[in-house]
Amino acid sequence: GDSVTQMEGPVTLSEEACLTINCTYTATGYPSLFWYVQYPGEGLQLLLKATKADDKGSNKGFEATYRKETTSFHLEKGSVQVSDSAVYFCALSEGGSNYKLTFGKGTLLTVNP
Amino acid sequence: ETGVTQTPRHLVMGMTNKKSLKCEQHLGHNAMYWYKQSAKKPLELMFVYSLEERVENNSVPSRFSPECPNSSHLFLHLHTLQPEDSALYLCASSQEAGFFYEQYFGPGTRLTVT
Repeated sequence: GDSVTQMEGPVTLSEEACLTINCTYTATGYPSLFWYVQYPGEGLQLLLKATKADDKGSNKGFEATYRKETTSFHLEKGSVQVSDSAVYFCALSEGGSNYKLTFGKGTLLTVNP
Repeated sequence: ETGVTQTPRHLVMGMTNKKSLKCEQHLGHNAMYWYKQSAKKPLELMFVYSLEERVENNSVPSRFSPECPNSSHLFLHLHTLQPEDSALYLCASSQEAGFFYEQYFGPGTRLTVT
């Protein structure tokens, strides 16, 4: 079945540091890939997505590139802020009429001033 | 504020109680979802409704009973729960059912079963 593996947290960085959160996936077909973010006390919000190989999703300074050859979708940001502190979830969905999003376990990011 | 509200935000219940979780979306969406978020486990999809009709049920125990009276409201009725059911229950909605449509999540209900 489908699965998503993302790096174990927590990740603690200083403000303006570079961020990479690794995500790899297993899927039978050609999934769409997503990063969701969950700020403290809130629900999940879609951060970015990519629907086919070599697509790059980007939003709020975050980027991730859909790499079919390495089955990866790593999240990157060049300079993090304190307000980026949150839990980040990598997810995939198969095509067609599948309603299901398969999530990773989440990575807690804490950014210190 | 995503346009999806959930009540209550916190709930403590005994194993013999009956309670209900409520979700309301103000986005005009046609699909709604229930997810379970347990510590150190991936988010699990429980139920999907499209136009008030259940279209997905991921082998959820019968002690969880969903209800979708209209496209704006979704309930999760709980009875005779187990301590392992303690988790954050998230509701989401999307324009239509299916991965292509962005899901908007509520803040969740933190459930503790004692």
